[in-house]
Amino acid sequence: AQSVTQPDIHITVSEGASLELRCNYSYGATPYLFWYVQSPGQGLQLLLKYFSGDTLVQGIKGFEAEFKRSQSSFNLRKPSVHWSDAAEYFCAVAVTSGTYKYIFGTGTRLKVLA
Amino acid sequence: KAGVTQTPRYLIKTRGQQVTLSCSPISGHRSVSWYQQTPGQGLQFLFEYFSETQRNKGNFPGRFSGRQFSNSRSEMNVSTLELGDSALYLCASRRQSTDTQYFGPGTRLTVL
Repeated sequence: AQSVTQPDIHITVSEGASLELRCNYSYGATPYLFWYVQSPGQGLQLLLKYFSGDTLVQGIKGFEAEFKRSQSSFNLRKPSVHWSDAAEYFCAVAVTSGTYKYIFGTGTRLKVLA
Repeated sequence: KAGVTQTPRYLIKTRGQQVTLSCSPISGHRSVSWYQQTPGQGLQFLFEYFSETQRNKGNFPGRFSGRQFSNSRSEMNVSTLELGDSALYLCASRRQSTDTQYFGPGTRLTVL
């Protein structure tokens, strides 16, 4: 069965520190992978996506993610976190066989210390 | 280009009532999907509509239904509301030719 695991429910980092949010997926075919960010009371904003090609994907707000097929991972990174990055981050895989829907991870809530 | 819009943004209902939520996709997007977000269950897929046809449905009871109009706008209806239906309901749209979904701000439904 398809699934997405985000092992860290909460992460706290200091402003200016680097960040890595983990995402592991289980999907039999070539995955379409996404990272979204959600601020309190808001919808989901797309940070970046991976469909194929270069395994290092650049996104908005200085985020990047690396697809590693051998590890079934799609970790999100940022070299220097800003206080405005505090939010909840969701990893998702698109199921495309016979249908189309996203399966989301449970999310990682990021807290940034000044 | 305007993003996905959802109305209303907030809604309070009582148990047993029904509710209708509306979603207007990005111009040119023909697919609309609905998701339910709760603290306990996270983000769960409800259904997807494309060209006025429901293409896929998640594991929700029949009280949850939807439809799509010829202009791609979509509505979601929940009948006989239960306390557990309190959630943020998110709508997402995409063009057929791409696989990226763009989400609206959501409708926060509270059932008392």
